[in-house]
Amino acid sequence: EIVMTQSPATLSVSPGETATLSCRASQSVSSKLAWYQQKPGQAPRLLIYDASTRATGIPARFSGSGSGTEFSLTISSLQSDDLAVYYCQHYNGWPAFGQGTRLDIK
Amino acid sequence: QVQLVQSGAEVKKPGSSVKVSCKASGGTFNSQAFSWVRQAPGLQLEWMGGIIPLGGIALYAQKFQGRVTITADESTRTTFMEVWSLTPDDTAVYYCAVGDGYNPYWGQGTQVSVSS
Repeated sequence: EIVMTQSPATLSVSPGETATLSCRASQSVSSKLAWYQQKPGQAPRLLIYDASTRATGIPARFSGSGSGTEFSLTISSLQSDDLAVYYCQHYNGWPAFGQGTRLDIK
Repeated sequence: QVQLVQSGAEVKKPGSSVKVSCKASGGTFNSQAFSWVRQAPGLQLEWMGGIIPLGGIALYAQKFQGRVTITADESTRTTFMEVWSLTPDDTAVYYCAVGDGYNPYWGQGTQVSVSS
């Protein structure tokens, strides 16, 4: 079973700045890695798949990188609407999610 | 574009079972991969299992093997997820989702509460 670990647990960033979220896999998942945004009371929303491909309608402020075991999600020009919990998920075999990073806007 | 509409909230007693449905519109139902994901209060997303209706073979996360059954009905374009022997720890929002590994489309979620 592949375990996904996200860091930090909480990140506080000012509007207009850049946030970088990390995700580590316990073994290689190649590029089979997705990122989701979840706001309170809502279903998750796909942001990134295949580690670096933006999903339909996702602005270029969101970018993903990495392969193997180390991945990151970068959100530039932060807006108050970006307040959410962000999850990574691998799908190289049985899917699994990380524990999430809560993004707070200062 | 795929839309997923789930059944309504449920309140169950410990030891009972619950069956949640997820009706799909748009896309080619038979060849789509459906997943079920749950989220306990304040906790992370947890993949439970999935099914591709064509062939009807369901796969389950080890944690849920033997206690969860996922099925699909092509005639109604609906997938089902049933959990047996419920405990209060099964209190969660249950989501269905569809996609090829990653999930661009999600249902609205179904709240299942287990309490005596």
